[in-house]
Amino acid sequence: QQQVKQSPQSLIVQKGGISIINCAYENTAFDYFPWYQQFPGKGPALLIAIRPDVSEKKEGRFTISFNKSAKQFSLHIMDSQPGDSATYFCAASMNNAGNMLTFGGGTRLMVKP
Amino acid sequence: NAGVMQNPRHLVRRRGQEARLRCSPVKGHSHVYWYRQLPEEGLKFMVYLQKENIIDESGMPKERFSAEFPKEGPSILRIQQVVRGDSAAYFCASSPDYAGGGHRAKNIQYFGAGTRLSVL
Repeated sequence: QQQVKQSPQSLIVQKGGISIINCAYENTAFDYFPWYQQFPGKGPALLIAIRPDVSEKKEGRFTISFNKSAKQFSLHIMDSQPGDSATYFCAASMNNAGNMLTFGGGTRLMVKP
Repeated sequence: NAGVMQNPRHLVRRRGQEARLRCSPVKGHSHVYWYRQLPEEGLKFMVYLQKENIIDESGMPKERFSAEFPKEGPSILRIQQVVRGDSAAYFCASSPDYAGGGHRAKNIQYFGAGTRLSVL
């Protein structure tokens, strides 16, 4: 199975709060897990990515937590800002299968001032 | 260093016409991917190309859709005899070569701004 399931579909967070988006995958051959941020009318932009050999990666206010045994990974946005309001997609790919990205369904995040 | 360029940004076609979407990858990238995004949905993989070769087209509809990435010039996604269900945003992404970017860099895909196709 190639699916990646993402939740929630939408999320409202107050400014300064923590935004948490979760993803689950089925194919254990996936070996690269990026998160993309997409603003209306724009293409997805790579935000942060992780590989299954680490359990956490942090870049600024963005952190990925990865649980290999549960086949789950999540994005945490600390100190959420109105400018973070966008749609976030998790994805997964396999290095030995062309690296095509399988995307989750997306989470529309709104950060209220 | 220019990013992935897609044109046109918006394309309106009537049912039965042809749509041609163009994608110029990041300079030096030889891997191109096309994805389709329906309204309120995630992106779905369509086709993966390297210069002059189709590597994987498992996500392409069997009829009316074709893609190419010639030795010179942009990658083209062609949709013949468009139908209303083809209305979507089509995104192109590129990634570097193994040798040029390292084996981990080739996972990273850089996306264009997309072409929004509307079929009347």
